[in-house]
Amino acid sequence: ETGVTQSPTHLIKTRGQQVTLRCSSQSGHNTVSWYQQALGQGPQFIFQYYREEENGRGNFPPRFSGLQFPNYSSELNVNALELDDSALYLCASSLAETGLEGYTFGSGTRLTVV
Amino acid sequence: AQSVTQLGSHVSVSEGALVLLRCNYSSSVPPYLFWYVQYPNQGLQLLLKYTTGATLVKGINGFEAEFKKSETSFHLTKPSAHMSDAAEYFCAVTLNTGGFKTIFGAGTRLFVKA
Repeated sequence: ETGVTQSPTHLIKTRGQQVTLRCSSQSGHNTVSWYQQALGQGPQFIFQYYREEENGRGNFPPRFSGLQFPNYSSELNVNALELDDSALYLCASSLAETGLEGYTFGSGTRLTVV
Repeated sequence: AQSVTQLGSHVSVSEGALVLLRCNYSSSVPPYLFWYVQYPNQGLQLLLKYTTGATLVKGINGFEAEFKKSETSFHLTKPSAHMSDAAEYFCAVTLNTGGFKTIFGAGTRLFVKA
């Protein structure tokens, strides 16, 4: 079985631009979560999708948005990029909408905003 | 407000010594607790979880943790440290507050000395 894959691995954007990050869930997983991990900090929960519907959201502004597709892959979109958006963005998938089985994480996308 | 606190951003032990990584949580609803490990330039890997049932849970690589509701703690232990245990460890809590949300602690970097 394949794990969680994220693309791209690294990305450099200019302040004010928009970015789309992509994630393929582990086979059989219907729940996907996105996290922002700043350097030296723990992951911060952005939001979670279950069967294409958002079923949980952290304290991130609306310019952070997402999609989950019928094949359970997912996108994270960030508009109007700010310097503080520079971080490692992690995608994680889970078997159940509760996430109580634990998450399988991808290796992340390193976003640098200049 | 819900939160997760990991005491000690860095812990150093000798190879063969006891590993103890501390985690306390604050939650107004029943928590579901997890420990994850992160190796450099990788995503997070689930070590163990507590959802219901036995409060002492065993995970991979010889790690275990005990849920103590009265102390709001979920400390991670391993009887004998190995060099390969050197990594960043994150405690996390998943809450259902009208939507599922996972909160991570800031992490503890474990160093293992030969």
